Amino acid sequence: GEDVEQSLFLSVREGDSSVINCTYTDSSSTYLYWYKQEPGAGLQLLTYIFSNMDMKQDQRLTVLLNKKDKHLSLRIADTQTGDSAIYFCAEKANGGATNKLIFGTGTLLAVQP
Amino acid sequence: SQTIHQWPATLVQPVGSPLSLECTVEGTSNPNLYWYRQAAGRGLQLLFYSVGIGQISSEVPQNLSASRPQDRQFILSSKKLLLSDSGFYLCAWMGLRDTQYFGPGTRLTVL
Repeated sequence: GEDVEQSLFLSVREGDSSVINCTYTDSSSTYLYWYKQEPGAGLQLLTYIFSNMDMKQDQRLTVLLNKKDKHLSLRIADTQTGDSAIYFCAEKANGGATNKLIFGTGTLLAVQP
Repeated sequence: SQTIHQWPATLVQPVGSPLSLECTVEGTSNPNLYWYRQAAGRGLQLLFYSVGIGQISSEVPQNLSASRPQDRQFILSSKKLLLSDSGFYLCAWMGLRDTQYFGPGTRLTVL
């Protein structure tokens, strides 16, 4: 079945770069997504990447997609304490044949001052 | 612009009591709507989704139910809550590029 996996925890120092990794199973996924969840809040869409792209950059965020290895990463440059949150990657279920997203388990990013 | 609302924000209910959580979306028509539960430890579990008025797809058998009485209203209900129903309930709607946009969530504690 479909599965999206992420490491559970990442700790970085303020000012360093953070790289959050994700692996997915459905090679026919059209879009892949990154969400951020701050404590007690809903999920906020950070960015998405279309499957025919290898990289997408948006200010401090860089998304890399390796379709061969089914690997997605989110790099946050100059990480700030306000970036501390849980980060979820997600893919469209069944390669887009349904209206559902499959979410990873989330990576807790802790930024040390 | 589109906005999504959930209420209440927090709820403490005794075991065996009924439940009604509401989600409404503004600024869009006929959206796909979703209910998720997030237990402690962060994973998201899809409970229900709806592609239109009166249409509900259930993902996980449980003592919860959902209804969509209006185009932009999605309700999550239970007749008798269990301890295991505690969690953070999130509503979402689907926009362009199949992106889901989430509401602020309802924290439910069943005692």
